[in-house]
Amino acid sequence: GDSVTQMEGPVTLSEEAFLTINCTYTATGYPSLFWYVQYPGEGLQLLLKATKADDKGSNKGFEATYRKETTSFHLEKGSVQVSDSAVYFCALRMKTSYDKVIFGPGTSLSVIP
Amino acid sequence: GAVVSQHPSWVICKSGTSVKIECRSLDFQATTMFWYRQFPKQSLMLMATSNEGSKATYEQGVEKDKFLINHASLTLSTLTVTSAHPEDSSFYICSATRGKGEKLFFGSGTQLSVL
Repeated sequence: GDSVTQMEGPVTLSEEAFLTINCTYTATGYPSLFWYVQYPGEGLQLLLKATKADDKGSNKGFEATYRKETTSFHLEKGSVQVSDSAVYFCALRMKTSYDKVIFGPGTSLSVIP
Repeated sequence: GAVVSQHPSWVICKSGTSVKIECRSLDFQATTMFWYRQFPKQSLMLMATSNEGSKATYEQGVEKDKFLINHASLTLSTLTVTSAHPEDSSFYICSATRGKGEKLFFGSGTQLSVL
């Protein structure tokens, strides 16, 4: 079935370090891909998305490219800040016989000054 | 922005009782709503997808008779946990999409504790 796999956390980085959070997916068709973020004490919110192969989603300095050949959607940021500390969820959306959105397990990121 | 309101935010009930959770889209029509369950420090597990006026589509392993979902209007979906047991204790989250948009808008979640 459709699924999303993310790198295990927690991830701890120093401020201004480079961030990569790996995400791969399994899907029977061509899903849309998303990264959602959950800051401490808050609900999930969309960070970025890509709807077709080779699309690049970007927001707040974060980027992810939809790679169909490797079924991946890795999240990157060149220089993280303390305020980026949160849990990051990779997700896919499929609209086949019905609509569904499946989330990966989440990766907790802590950025230390 | 689009707002999804979920109530109650927490509920404690006795084993064997039923609990209803409401999910409302306050300023838009939600063509599709999704119900998730989240265990501590784990991801969101999709329980079901509901479309207004039609039966919900449940994910494999989710008991339809236990988790009743009603999407009676374009702004309201309800999840009823019937005959709740302690193993049903969890954090339940609803989300909705607006029109044909891809973005999900999330409710604030409901923490259910079954004694």
